[in-house]
Amino acid sequence: EAGVTQSPTHLIKTRGQQATLRCSPISGHTSVYWYQQALGLGLQFLLWYDEGEERNRGNFPPRFSGRQFPNYSSELNVNALELEDSALYLCASSSQGFSPNQPQHFGDGTRLSIL
Amino acid sequence: GNSVTQMEGPVTLSEEAFLTINCTYTATGYPSLFWYVQYPGEGLQLLLKATKADDKGSNKGFEATYRKETTSFHLEKGSVQVSDSAVYFCALRLTGGGNKLTFGTGTQLKVEL
Repeated sequence: EAGVTQSPTHLIKTRGQQATLRCSPISGHTSVYWYQQALGLGLQFLLWYDEGEERNRGNFPPRFSGRQFPNYSSELNVNALELEDSALYLCASSSQGFSPNQPQHFGDGTRLSIL
Repeated sequence: GNSVTQMEGPVTLSEEAFLTINCTYTATGYPSLFWYVQYPGEGLQLLLKATKADDKGSNKGFEATYRKETTSFHLEKGSVQVSDSAVYFCALRLTGGGNKLTFGTGTQLKVEL
């Protein structure tokens, strides 16, 4: 079965621009999660979507937003890019979104670089 | 708040050595616990999990036991290989915790011939 797929692999932007990152979950998974892995800051939770609704949000400013489509794929949008947004953005998916026992399966990430 | 503490890396071992990576947690409830591994240039792969006290998760020769009394979930492997070189992350997830994973800072493992 295909795993979580993310696109693009790399994205280069300049300050002030907007970035869109995409994620396709494992077939049958209804929950999608976004994490940021920035150098020196570790892995931080960004957003959780389940059945098309935003269910939880991490401690990030509103310029980080996203959505989940009817086919359960998801987009992460980052507006007004800042240098500190440079990071690896990881998407994960799981089944039975509200059960903590269900593991989250990760994609290989999108490397966002802000010049 | 909820948090995960891992031992500092890098950990450098010779092939076939015994591995322990310590992980302790602080949580307001009873979390599920996970170990993930990240190889260079890749995302995270689930290595093993345990969902309640005294559960032992195991996979690919790696093991970890959920110890509620010491709030620990240490990762062990009896004989490491060069191919095990990666960064290992311990994580917890709580019911009612917004379903997010809370990660430790990661421990880099280097295995040499």
